[in-house]
Amino acid sequence: AQSVAQPEDQVNVAEGNPLTVKCTYSVSGNPYLFWYVQYPNRGLQFLLKYITGDNLVKGSYGFEAEFNKSQTSFHLKKPSALVSDSALYFCAVPGRGGATNKLIFGTGTLLAVQP
Amino acid sequence: NAGVTQTPKFQVLKTGQSMTLQCAQDMNHNSMYWYRQDPGMGLRLIYYSASEGTTDKGEVPNGYNVSRLNKREFSLRLESAAPSQTSVYFCASTRTGGLEETQYFGPGTRLLVL
Repeated sequence: AQSVAQPEDQVNVAEGNPLTVKCTYSVSGNPYLFWYVQYPNRGLQFLLKYITGDNLVKGSYGFEAEFNKSQTSFHLKKPSALVSDSALYFCAVPGRGGATNKLIFGTGTLLAVQP
Repeated sequence: NAGVTQTPKFQVLKTGQSMTLQCAQDMNHNSMYWYRQDPGMGLRLIYYSASEGTTDKGEVPNGYNVSRLNKREFSLRLESAAPSQTSVYFCASTRTGGLEETQYFGPGTRLLVL
């Protein structure tokens, strides 16, 4: 079965420091991997995805993620955190079977960036 | 384009009451989804509709029904609300439902069942 795990409920980082939000996956077949962000009292917004090709994927708001097949990881990174990056981050994979894309989400990681 | 819209934004129900959550998208997408979000559990799929006229159960369908009214609209109905259905509900859509596609989410409906 397809699944993702986000081992950290919360990540704290000081503004200007690099940040990493971790995600590991378990999938059959070629992995399609997604990151979404949820700002307070808002819906989810797409950040980036890995389909195929370069292992380093660049996305919105200066975020990037590195696909690592040997470690089955897809960690989200940013070189310099902003207070405005504080939000809930979700890693996701498509479920298999059926006629459409049914996303399976991780439990989410709350990123708190201190000024 | 408004994208994906949801109504209402917030609702309080008493146990046993019924209500319908509305969702509409103006992106001409074929596939639509309903998720619920609960603390520490991420988002879980309730029902989805691959295309107009079709609906299928997701991971947590019990206590819910859906209607794909037309290509734009996908409603979620609670026939007899229970406190366990207190949650934030999100509607989403994709163009064709391909595994590589990005999902577009609405702003959510916060539901409190007393």
